[in-house]
Amino acid sequence: DGGITQSPKYLFRKEGQNVTLSCEQNLNHDAMYWYRQDPGQGLRLIYYSQIVNDFQKGDIAEGYSVSREKKESFPLTVTSAQKNPTAFYLCASSPRTGGRNTIYFGEGSWLTVV
Amino acid sequence: AQKITQTQPGMFVQEKEAVTLDCTYDTSDPSYGLFWYKQPSSGEMIFLIYQGSYDQQNATEGRYSLNFQKARKSANLVISASQLGDSAMYFCAMSPFSGGYNKLIFGAGTRLAVHP
Repeated sequence: DGGITQSPKYLFRKEGQNVTLSCEQNLNHDAMYWYRQDPGQGLRLIYYSQIVNDFQKGDIAEGYSVSREKKESFPLTVTSAQKNPTAFYLCASSPRTGGRNTIYFGEGSWLTVV
Repeated sequence: AQKITQTQPGMFVQEKEAVTLDCTYDTSDPSYGLFWYKQPSSGEMIFLIYQGSYDQQNATEGRYSLNFQKARKSANLVISASQLGDSAMYFCAMSPFSGGYNKLIFGAGTRLAVHP
């Protein structure tokens, strides 16, 4: 089945550690995105990528890093510089940027700092 | 500033009744898209409906319709014949097309509870 796969679903991190969240899509979409959701709030854009080997900062990129070495993969690293990383992280993709393109989401990853 | 406002933190509706979830937006872009997503307790974001700023007709998708009033900058979601499975968070989002990016700007959401 086509879709967006995020892993792991649940992740616990010790303070000071980097963690990487995986996002893979087999929809042949050009654009991919990472969003963060805090309890009771809407989503905020962390990073997005239009094509391979290119990505742009979103509204809350500090403390995060990404790579886009393959079209189907867009991993997000939550670094130790991110002061409040406990949140729900959602990966998304769309056929291309701009225009009336629906954005599809993965099932999300819950990150908790312990 | 580009912003989405959802003024209803929570809504209740009786099963089989219709309900309207409010959304207003602010943008100076002449071209933009408006989206509604449903988020059940499991967390995934489910796309419901899309309206383009130049679309002449209101969008409809099954039991979902979008009441688009461009002059008032509102894009309310109407759910007809509510079902118990409609209980979830609902998010309105906007994608301004300046720069050619699908950068969704989300509202804070409305929690809908459907009662039997």
